Amino acid sequence: AQTVTQSQPEMSVQEAETVTLSCTYDTSESDYYLFWYKQPPSRQMILVIRQEAYKQQNATENRFSVNFQKAAKSFSLKISDSQLGDAAMYFCAYRRGEYSGGGADGLTFGKGTHLIIQP
Amino acid sequence: DADVTQTPRNRITKTGKRIMLECSQTKGHDRMYWYRQDPGLGLRLIYYSFDVKDINKGEISDGYSVSRQAQAKFSLSLESAIPNQTALYFCATSESLAGDLTDTQYFGPGTRLTVL
Repeated sequence: AQTVTQSQPEMSVQEAETVTLSCTYDTSESDYYLFWYKQPPSRQMILVIRQEAYKQQNATENRFSVNFQKAAKSFSLKISDSQLGDAAMYFCAYRRGEYSGGGADGLTFGKGTHLIIQP
Repeated sequence: DADVTQTPRNRITKTGKRIMLECSQTKGHDRMYWYRQDPGLGLRLIYYSFDVKDINKGEISDGYSVSRQAQAKFSLSLESAIPNQTALYFCATSESLAGDLTDTQYFGPGTRLTVL
């Protein structure tokens, strides 16, 4: 079974600085997808960024980018120019791809990293 | 209006009571999911449904049942609630699109359930 590990329960960064959140995963599949979700105090789960395993290029969404190291099974999230609104729990998630029999598989989540933004 | 809604948003109940949590979506998605979130444990999958005729157990289905009444509605039931089912429950939807295999899931606002 696949597992997702987030080794940093909490991270703190100064406003306007850059922070990197770590995520590693374990899978024997070759077709899969990786996601970062943000959960602010409102508790809403918000998709931040997604990465297809078959793509070598790292995904980027504005100030958010990932460092996807497939061989190392690592999927870190970099937040540039941190803003107060970035304060939240961040969850890394994995899903098998269709070609690995993923079909309608649910997501496997890590335990989350609590990100604090210092003004 | 929200695309994925959950009712109720908060519920306090007693041990042994039957509880139903409801999820509705206007996104037209065929796939629906129920997750549970406990502090420090992230989200875990309870049940998922590929379409109205397809129901599948997830990682932690014991003590729960589901009903897919229509494409847009997916309910989660606790037949006899117990205190360790106190958690935050999320419904999610996704769509199987030809050419878009990422199958991104979109979450509802969550239901906070407390079992005394």
